[in-house]
Amino acid sequence: DAGVIQSPRHEVTEMGQEVTLRCKPISGHNSLFWYRQTMMRGLELLIYFNNNVPIDDSGMPEDRFSAKMPNASFSTLKIQPSEPRDSAVYFCASSPQGGTGELFFGEGSRLTVL
Amino acid sequence: RKEVEQDPGPFNVPEGATVAFNCTYSNSASQSFFWYRQDCRKEPKLLMSVYSSGNEDGRFTAQLNRASQYISLLIRDSKLSDSATYLCVVRGTGFQKLVFGTGTRLLVSP
Repeated sequence: DAGVIQSPRHEVTEMGQEVTLRCKPISGHNSLFWYRQTMMRGLELLIYFNNNVPIDDSGMPEDRFSAKMPNASFSTLKIQPSEPRDSAVYFCASSPQGGTGELFFGEGSRLTVL
Repeated sequence: RKEVEQDPGPFNVPEGATVAFNCTYSNSASQSFFWYRQDCRKEPKLLMSVYSSGNEDGRFTAQLNRASQYISLLIRDSKLSDSATYLCVVRGTGFQKLVFGTGTRLLVSP
């Protein structure tokens, strides 16, 4: 079975540009999570969805960040406008309903904002 | 205070050594605990869950001390392939919300 699929794997953009990161969770998983990882702060939860509904977005840094999950097989994380401090690896993860708590991560999207 | 705190390391050990990592968490209501492993430039993956009675998986032993809000991971007979960052993870309040520590880096040398 395919794991969590993220795209793009790498993106380099200039400050002020819009960035859209995409995620396809594992089929049948009801929960989807967006994390950001930096050397200084580690893995930070940005937002998570259950059955396509945002449950907790308290980790979203500011209004420049938005996330959507229009259906069970697709989610986006958008940054507009992007800033150099947004440079990080963004991970998407999914988990099944009633699971053990294990998260299945995608390979991540490495974002560099110049 | 961070919700989950770990010594960042790195821990440099020779092959065959025994090494232990510790982790503390701040939320006494936390219910579930895990250790994840992350290789360089890769995604985190579940290593093992941590149960109240302690549990073992081959060379790896995890323990939980709820009174002290403390979790540990012991690796016996270290292998070169154990070199990675080990993330302590706690399920906090709220639906399936997992909080990650910043990780402890382990380097096993020949």
